[in-house]
Amino acid sequence: GQSLEQPSEVTAVEGAIVQINCTYQTSGFYGLSWYQQHDGGAPTFLSYNGLDGLEETGRFSSFLSRSDSYGYLLLQELQMKDSASYFCAVRDTRTGRRALTFGSGTRLQVQP
Amino acid sequence: EAGVTQFPSHSVIEKGQTVTLRCDPISGHDNLYWYRRVMGKEIKFLLHFVKESKQDESGMPNNRFLAERTGGTYSTLKVQPAELEDSGVYFCASSHVIRGQGFNGYTFGSGTRLTVV
Repeated sequence: GQSLEQPSEVTAVEGAIVQINCTYQTSGFYGLSWYQQHDGGAPTFLSYNGLDGLEETGRFSSFLSRSDSYGYLLLQELQMKDSASYFCAVRDTRTGRRALTFGSGTRLQVQP
Repeated sequence: EAGVTQFPSHSVIEKGQTVTLRCDPISGHDNLYWYRRVMGKEIKFLLHFVKESKQDESGMPNNRFLAERTGGTYSTLKVQPAELEDSGVYFCASSHVIRGQGFNGYTFGSGTRLTVV
């Protein structure tokens, strides 16, 4: 089956850097995505890694190591508005190349 | 462009009643997905439409759930009869594949919060 593990909660202060890790087990693998969800809002796509390495988008970066079945989301220069839940998700062969399997989410709390 | 729209945003129904959720994807998006998040757990895949066809419905929990996408535009998800364990947030997402442009993620709606009492 498919499973993804990520920490349930992370707390950090404004201006700091935080890393949210994700390990996964899938029967096949076509990439790791990250989504942000504010309370009551829609999950919003942040980044996608199909190949090993680092992808950078502004203050957010995402990393993937397929040999380790591991990835992380790095958030720099944290702002209060970054307080949200962050989900890693994989595309795998079980659900088809486009459907996603999500982790349980990491709740990030940014403190002043 | 308009995003993915879901209606209603909230629904409270009694056990045994019927509820129909609606999703309007981004215009032109062939792929439409339904997901559900129950009690703060992971967001779970329910099913995937490509245009009007069900590509994958392996995540549908049981036959009390019926999804349709007539004409390949909007989709409905009907729960009949609703049970207490069906409470959760139901998300719809859409995507469109453009050859050569890789994967651009899905656009999610804000969800329908369903409470069965």
